[in-house]
Amino acid sequence: NAGVTQTPKFRVLKTGQSMTLLCAQDMNHEYMYWYRQDPGMGLRLIHYSVGEGTTAKGEVPDGYNVSRLKKQNFLLGLESAAPSQTSVYFCASSYSTGNTIYFGEGSWLTVV
Amino acid sequence: KQEVTQIPAALSVPEGENLVLNCSFTDSAIYNLQWFRQDPGKGLTSLLLIQSSQREQTSGRLNASLDKSSGRSTLYIAASQPGDSATYLCAVPDAYTGGGNKLTFGTGTQLKVEL
Repeated sequence: NAGVTQTPKFRVLKTGQSMTLLCAQDMNHEYMYWYRQDPGMGLRLIHYSVGEGTTAKGEVPDGYNVSRLKKQNFLLGLESAAPSQTSVYFCASSYSTGNTIYFGEGSWLTVV
Repeated sequence: KQEVTQIPAALSVPEGENLVLNCSFTDSAIYNLQWFRQDPGKGLTSLLLIQSSQREQTSGRLNASLDKSSGRSTLYIAASQPGDSATYLCAVPDAYTGGGNKLTFGTGTQLKVEL
């Protein structure tokens, strides 16, 4: 089973460029999440979705947009990348509230 | 706002030792707590999910306990092995903002088990 798959795994962007991170899950989960992980800050929630066609802001949503057009996919977009967005990004999914959350392998993004 | 703290931040033990990792949270109105493992350069792997109605959950050499009233959870690892070396994180869901299973994470305990 693939579980949660993120692409790309590594990317270097110049300030002001845009890009999209793709997350796909094959577990028929309703809930999907995007987190970022930074040294000393732990994991922080960027955006999440509780079902196809829905999105909501998390703790650190500024500078990011998301879309959930298909149940299995959750896209994270950076419209104008900034050095402060250099981080490791993790996608995750769960069946519903109170269930185990499954994480992808991470996407390393550097903005120069 | 929920805050999750893990102490110690790093721990080094000899192989075979039993050890305890600690997690504390400020808001006891949680409905579960999860322990995760993260290897360098990898994502998080869920180890144990303990519901608020449970006091303990076990998987192999791992045992997690939960005391909601005191805002504490412990992860007990028996007979530690070098393969247990990783960062261990605990996380609790946000109970107040319409569900969504949004987690607040601790910053983790980095464990090294030496031969």
